[in-house]
Amino acid sequence: DAEITQSPRHKITETGRQVTLACHQTWNHNNMFWYRQDLGHGLRLIHYSYGVQDTNKGEVSDGYSVSRSNTEDLPLTLESAASSQTSVYFCASSEYSGRTDNEQFFGPGTRLTVL
Amino acid sequence: AQKITQTQPGMFVQEKEAVTLDCTYDTSDQSYGLFWYKQPSSGEMIFLIYQGSYDEQNATEGRYSLNFQKARKSANLVISASQLGDSAMYFCAMREEWQNFVFGPGTRLSVLP
Repeated sequence: DAEITQSPRHKITETGRQVTLACHQTWNHNNMFWYRQDLGHGLRLIHYSYGVQDTNKGEVSDGYSVSRSNTEDLPLTLESAASSQTSVYFCASSEYSGRTDNEQFFGPGTRLTVL
Repeated sequence: AQKITQTQPGMFVQEKEAVTLDCTYDTSDQSYGLFWYKQPSSGEMIFLIYQGSYDEQNATEGRYSLNFQKARKSANLVISASQLGDSAMYFCAMREEWQNFVFGPGTRLSVLP
């Protein structure tokens, strides 16, 4: 069965360190997304990609970067982790955006704590 | 401006009763889709139901139905015959054509035995 996996599932790091969260999907979707989930804010979009070599900033992109070298993977990098980046991170994928009924499929999430 | 509003941070319902979770949205597009996702305490996001802006009938999926009132821009989720396993966070989301998903802040539903 197709799926999205994220690793690690839990991560504790220190302020100032670089951290990379992995996301791998086997749906063969062109669109991939990274969200952070914080209480009271729902899911906020960090970065997204519509295909290989395409990356775009979302509403909360400061301090984060992504790269897309193949269809399956969209790693999220925190360049210099800050305590404000303590959150649960979700990766998602979907088919192309031209149809409004294409649901998003989510990974299991990564809980990141920055001390 | 907030595109998706969920005004109920928390809701309680008695087991076997029906419950309505509110969602209002803001768009000037004619073509859009509305989604509800469930997030149990285990953390995964589970797709529940979809309603297209051109759909004339309200969407239903088992015990879930979507009360779609286009003129009021509301897309409330109705859960009939609540079960203990329905206790979770529920997110309303919208997708406009050629746009990304936008999620509401969520409603935490607690089902009481």
